[in-house]
Amino acid sequence: DAGVTQSPTHLIKTRGQQVTLRCSPKSGHDTVSWYQQALGQGPQFIFQYYEEEERQRGNFPDRFSGHQFPNYSSELNVNALLLGDSALYLCASSLDPGLGFRGTFFGQGTRLTVV
Amino acid sequence: GDSVTQMEGPVTLSEEAFLTINCTYTATGYPSLFWYVQYPGEGLQLLLKATKADDKGSNKGFEATYRKETTSFHLEKGSVQVSDSAVYFCALSKTGNQFYFGTGTSLTVIP
Repeated sequence: DAGVTQSPTHLIKTRGQQVTLRCSPKSGHDTVSWYQQALGQGPQFIFQYYEEEERQRGNFPDRFSGHQFPNYSSELNVNALLLGDSALYLCASSLDPGLGFRGTFFGQGTRLTVV
Repeated sequence: GDSVTQMEGPVTLSEEAFLTINCTYTATGYPSLFWYVQYPGEGLQLLLKATKADDKGSNKGFEATYRKETTSFHLEKGSVQVSDSAVYFCALSKTGNQFYFGTGTSLTVIP
């Protein structure tokens, strides 16, 4: 089992550009969440996708959007990048939490640097 | 709102020393509590969890007890090793839909 896989591992973008990050959940998981971890901080919840729809969203602007595909993989898109968007972006997968907590697994993350 | 406050670091200990990292939480309802560990350049790994009051989570010599009366979930280990050097995050979740993390405590263990 490959666990949660994210790509790319590192990325450098220029202010104002757009970026897409990708995540493949752990086998058998149908729910994907995204977190932003700024340097020296704990991860902050961006949003969660289940059944190809955004189910819950944290306190992030609309520049942050996502998508979930029928195979449960997911993308995080960030438009009009700001320097402050530089962070480690973590993807987490789980089996629908509505069925009871069964474990959330995190990927290694994508390190985004905005210059 | 829900939140987690954990002891600020960095923490530096000698090998075989006793470790305590304090964590307190604020939440409505009945959250589950977690400790995650992050090694350099890696993502988060679940270290241990507790899902109800008075539960003790344990793994790899680490322990934490869910104390509802003090809203705490302190992480302890009796004898740390160099390989325990990492950043430790306390977190809570009520449904598994969203985790609230503390700011992390960096631990360095020196031989």
